Amino acid sequence: QSALTQPRSVSGSPGQSVTISCTGTTSDVGGYNSVSWYQQHPGKAPKFIIYDVRKRPSGVPDRFSGSKSGNTASLTISGLRAEDEADYYCFSHAGSYTHVAFGGGTKLTVL
Amino acid sequence: QVQLVQSGAEVKKPGASVKVSCKASGYTFTSYGISWVRQAPGQGLEWVGWISPYNDNRNYAQELQGRVTMTTDTSTSTAYMELRSLRSDDTAVYYCARDPSIAAVGTAVDYWGQGTLVTVSS
Repeated sequence: QSALTQPRSVSGSPGQSVTISCTGTTSDVGGYNSVSWYQQHPGKAPKFIIYDVRKRPSGVPDRFSGSKSGNTASLTISGLRAEDEADYYCFSHAGSYTHVAFGGGTKLTVL
Repeated sequence: QVQLVQSGAEVKKPGASVKVSCKASGYTFTSYGISWVRQAPGQGLEWVGWISPYNDNRNYAQELQGRVTMTTDTSTSTAYMELRSLRSDDTAVYYCARDPSIAAVGTAVDYWGQGTLVTVSS
């Protein structure tokens, strides 16, 4: 069981926006501005898409945005495209013994 | 360009050990950490541990403490992850990934290796 909780699945139609949440505690997500997000297509290595809650690496479209409120970080994908269908994972501090942890992952389906 | 190239798939028996390599190129190896992440079949990502090629600092996932050892060879820009006393639930794809944090384990990894499938089966 991951220390960071994500919904197992979300869905949206092309052109719509979806938001994926990543909920922790004051010891992890809430205590640091250092959540990152990854996109993973089946059979592929994950791809880095957000860091430090809301910053985008070079080459990542601005359709991908990150935010945080309290103990919950969020990834929003606007203008959904078929190629956005993938699994998405958050990554953050997870307490002194666990150091860091991934969320359980969210499967995004583009209808 | 930054590349992390991992060693090939392994099949091991329960109780054996496996050592996966990750050769880095396209950047200064000692300026970034290396994290290891695994993914069991059909499951999510699991952080395994982190090592700094700069000062040899390491952090391991609590549940793997005592079975995992991470090392680096700065002369060849290669990182290694060894897992001992293998069990069937260690079957997974193991990834190495570059961590911009060099002093302590960070919360972002920017480049990933292609993954190495380790299968543990009798």
